[in-house]
Amino acid sequence: NAGVMQNPRHLVRRRGQEARLRCSPMKGHSHVYWYRQLPEEGLKFMVYLQKENIIDESGMPKERFSAEFPKEGPSILRIQQVVRGDSAAYFCASSLGPYNEQFFGPGTRLTVL
Amino acid sequence: SQQGEEDPQALSIQEGENATMNCSYKTSINNLQWYRQNSGRGLVHLILIRSNEREKHSGRLRVTLDTSKKSSSLLITASRAADTASYFCATDAVRSGGSNYKLTFGKGTLLTVNP
Repeated sequence: NAGVMQNPRHLVRRRGQEARLRCSPMKGHSHVYWYRQLPEEGLKFMVYLQKENIIDESGMPKERFSAEFPKEGPSILRIQQVVRGDSAAYFCASSLGPYNEQFFGPGTRLTVL
Repeated sequence: SQQGEEDPQALSIQEGENATMNCSYKTSINNLQWYRQNSGRGLVHLILIRSNEREKHSGRLRVTLDTSKKSSSLLITASRAADTASYFCATDAVRSGGSNYKLTFGKGTLLTVNP
């Protein structure tokens, strides 16, 4: 039973480029969460999605960031026109439901040059 | 202080000793969870304790929860070098309709276990 999968594990982008981060939840999980971890910090909630629906995006920056969880395929966190401040580790978690434990993926470490 | 703040920030002990980390939070919660993160890696879920529970054990881990003081502690007994990692507590605040899916993490305690 594979855990939460994220790819790529490391992503390097130049300022102004786009970053696409993918997350495949655990088998049977339909609830996905994205968190961001800045250096020396704890994780900060960004967005909560169920299949085809964004439930809560209150932690997402208003501009350049978007997320989706289509009916088929992984959840995608998309960052347009990246800036150096976007450099961080982005973690995806999944759960059976909103009241269940969240299991985290290994993260994608984004470096913006 | 922020919700889910760990104390101390860093802890260095010898193998075989016990390690105690504390977590304080501000608002009422449904659950409190502890996670471990090895350097540069993902988070590993250690244990979840519900607000109506006072103590929970899992192997060498013992978690306590004091909702009156809004605090929790994680005890690792007979520590090993492999326990070296950052430890985070995460809380989900009570809100209308039940559990809040937003986990709030502290900055973590960096535990170093010296062989």
